[in-house]
Amino acid sequence: AQKVTQAQTEISVVEKEDVTLDCVYETRDTTYYLFWYKQPPSGELVFLIRRNSFDEQNEISGRYSWNFQKSTSSFNFTITASQVVDSAVYFCALTPPGGGADGLTFGKGTHLIIQP
Amino acid sequence: SQTIHQWPATLVQPVGSPLSLECTVEGTSNPNLYWYRQAAGRGLQLLFYSVGIGQISSEVPQNLSASRPQDRQFILSSKKLLLSDSGFYLCAWSVRRAETQYFGPGTRLLVL
Repeated sequence: AQKVTQAQTEISVVEKEDVTLDCVYETRDTTYYLFWYKQPPSGELVFLIRRNSFDEQNEISGRYSWNFQKSTSSFNFTITASQVVDSAVYFCALTPPGGGADGLTFGKGTHLIIQP
Repeated sequence: SQTIHQWPATLVQPVGSPLSLECTVEGTSNPNLYWYRQAAGRGLQLLFYSVGIGQISSEVPQNLSASRPQDRQFILSSKKLLLSDSGFYLCAWSVRRAETQYFGPGTRLLVL
């Protein structure tokens, strides 16, 4: 069965520190996509990144970077020089299984608190 | 560009009352549409998805139902709300299966 595990329930760091959010997934599919979403206090889920299972290159977007390692089934997210505005719940998600329902499989989320 | 709207933003309803939440998408045609529920601030659970008008698939047996009367309109309903229906309801759309899903602002439902 598909599963996404975000073992860190809550992380609290001081502003300007680097922080890494972990994501481990399970799937039987050979082709799949992984996602990260940000949920600020307002509640709306904001799309951050989509990564194809065949593309293991790390990606960097400003202060955000993602490390995809297929060998360990992990797709970790690092925020460099964190800011208070980064405070949110972050979700990792996986595409639907082949032939299965269309919904994404979400982890339970990591609540990130950036203290000033 | 595409936008997704949900209303109402917040709703307080008594147990046993009916429910109707609406979601509309602008700027795209024939989107896949989804209803998720997030209870207790965590974990998103897929409730329904639709690949076209009148085509609804249900993932979780419950007293909720969904309908898609128009291409870009998705409605979540209930005839009689339960306390356990309280939560944050999110609508999402995607171009096709396995593509990125984009979420609306959500509706906070409190059943008393």
